[in-house]
Amino acid sequence: DVKVTQSSRYLVKRTGEKVFLECVQDMDHENMFWYRQDPGLGLRLIYFSYDVKMKEKGDIPEGYSVSREKKERFSLILESASTNQTSMYLCASSSGVGTSGTYEQYFGPGTRLTVT
Amino acid sequence: AQSVTQLDSQVPVFEEAPVELRCNYSSSVSVYLFWYVQYPNQGLQLLLKYLSGSTLVKGINGFEAEFNKSQTSFHLRKPSVHISDTAEYFCASIQGAQKLVFGQGTRLTINP
Repeated sequence: DVKVTQSSRYLVKRTGEKVFLECVQDMDHENMFWYRQDPGLGLRLIYFSYDVKMKEKGDIPEGYSVSREKKERFSLILESASTNQTSMYLCASSSGVGTSGTYEQYFGPGTRLTVT
Repeated sequence: AQSVTQLDSQVPVFEEAPVELRCNYSSSVSVYLFWYVQYPNQGLQLLLKYLSGSTLVKGINGFEAEFNKSQTSFHLRKPSVHISDTAEYFCASIQGAQKLVFGQGTRLTINP
């Protein structure tokens, strides 16, 4: 079974703090993704990565950065947390382009971040 | 750019009744479509997917969906729902190289 784990289920931070959200997958997947989930808006892509040290902006990258130093780990960084970044953050992974891939993304349980 | 629209934000049904959750997509290229389910306080889990072939796709937990190219729809159905089906359901399509575009979600509530 594919397993995607996220470092925290719940997190409370203060405005202006630097926040790290960690995601680890154990299936040797090339692709990893960070989403933000808000009521009525569905899931919106923040950043994704096709390979180690590679990253691309998604639809809402402002205020976020990412790091992928190892294939299995993808970190989301909030440089200076703000109250409008209070949300559910979901990490996902999938096998790469060029495989007979099913395109299926596997999701972690999510981190509910509250910025006060 | 592709988009996915889920036509209902909430769907209440009685237990053992049939249900249909509606999804429309827009795309001018090959379409790969997915339905995901999110149970309370959990991540997303794949219910079913359409990549090619038969337009009627069967998934887990008794759900099925029909790909309709002429109507650009991919509606999700279940003939008889259970309390345990209470969850939020997301329709999604592939955009570009393996990026998913999600609909806004439909919250399915089952009443006893």
